[in-house]
Amino acid sequence: EIVLTQSPGTLSLSPGERATLSCRASLSVSNNYLAWYQQKPGQAPRLLIYGASSRATGIPDRFSGSGSGTDFTLTISRLEPEDFAVYYCQQYVTSGKTFGQGTKVDIK
Amino acid sequence: QVQLVESGGGVVKTGGSLRLSCAASGFTFSGYYMSWIRQAPGKGLEWVSYISNSGDIIYYADSVKGRFTMSRDNAKNSLYLQMNSLRAEDTAVYYCARENWSLDYWGQGTLVTVSS
Repeated sequence: EIVLTQSPGTLSLSPGERATLSCRASLSVSNNYLAWYQQKPGQAPRLLIYGASSRATGIPDRFSGSGSGTDFTLTISRLEPEDFAVYYCQQYVTSGKTFGQGTKVDIK
Repeated sequence: QVQLVESGGGVVKTGGSLRLSCAASGFTFSGYYMSWIRQAPGKGLEWVSYISNSGDIIYYADSVKGRFTMSRDNAKNSLYLQMNSLRAEDTAVYYCARENWSLDYWGQGTLVTVSS
């Protein structure tokens, strides 16, 4: 099983600032089969990024993903008020499609 | 537009059973793998199981293997999760999601509470 470790656990920032979220895998994620999801309270998760760097339909270009192998990053270039949420990474290389434990981005 | 609507959640006693359903619309259901994912109260996401588009390939997380059974009825555009021998740690919101390698569409979830 591939274990995903996200850091930091919580990121306290102000609107307009840049957010950098990390996701580290215990084994290499081949073909960059890594996705990022956003979840707001009381809502289902929403797909942001797939294939490590491709934005899903309708996702603003302030969201970008990068990385390969075992180290991946989600960057939000300038935080909007609606971006304060919890973010999860997920690998879909193996049959056991594991998630990271999440990073909460809250308002400073 | 793609819609996934879960149902069947509720309160059940430890050791009991429950069957969740997910009604799909807005896309060719028989063309996609599907997954169940759960989220315990205040916790992160846990992938539970997935099923191939034809239903002949099914995988389960170790935490539910032997207790949960995932199935689908392509004629009814429906997905199911039969949950037996339920434990307190199965308490969670259960989401169905469409697989397009990643999980590109999610339902709103249904809450399962297992209590003694």
